[in-house]
Amino acid sequence: ELKVEQNPLFLSMQEGKNYTIYCNYSTTSDRLYWYRQDPGKSLESLFVLLSNGAVKQEGRLMASLDTKARLSTLHITAAVHDLSATYFCAVGHWGSGTASKLTFGTGTRLQVTL
Amino acid sequence: GAVVSQHPSRVICKSGTSVKIECRSLDFQATTMFWYRQFPKQSLMLMATSNEGSKATYEQGVEKDKFLINHASLTLSTLTVTSAHPEDSSFYICSANSLESYEQYFGPGTRLTVT
Repeated sequence: ELKVEQNPLFLSMQEGKNYTIYCNYSTTSDRLYWYRQDPGKSLESLFVLLSNGAVKQEGRLMASLDTKARLSTLHITAAVHDLSATYFCAVGHWGSGTASKLTFGTGTRLQVTL
Repeated sequence: GAVVSQHPSRVICKSGTSVKIECRSLDFQATTMFWYRQFPKQSLMLMATSNEGSKATYEQGVEKDKFLINHASLTLSTLTVTSAHPEDSSFYICSANSLESYEQYFGPGTRLTVT
């Protein structure tokens, strides 16, 4: 059974600081997704990582994938309050073409304070 | 990016009644759609995979007779919660891929409250 663990579960950080969220998964996969969820809302896609060593960056967020270690990271640079949300990683498995069943991590609730 | 819509966004129903939720891919075709459920302050759990033109595949522990899925076209999947009970109250979210991308797009979700 595929297990996806995220840590930390909760992160309170000051504006301007850097931090990393970790996502470990238990079985081989070549599809790793990061999503953002605001309270009461659905998921917003941040990144799709499809190969070992993949790195993607968008604004203050950067995601990487190490398939050998079964680890993905989401790095936050110089956090701002607007980044406060819950972040989920999800591992894709059972591929039918481009479609994947996703197993989600527990989520990391990020709170950026002034 | 591609857009997935859901209807309704919120629904309140009485215990014992049935509720239908629609999921549409607005600007792309999706042979496969997925249905997830999220309880408050928890992660998303996959309920079933909806396949256009064939039966849905349900995850372990999800009752197929209670959660009826129909994927009648390449742009529409429906989830019907039959004989709803208060414990079915949850946030139901669908997702879909376009055929050209590994990106998986999520609908805005449907908040179901069963009284």
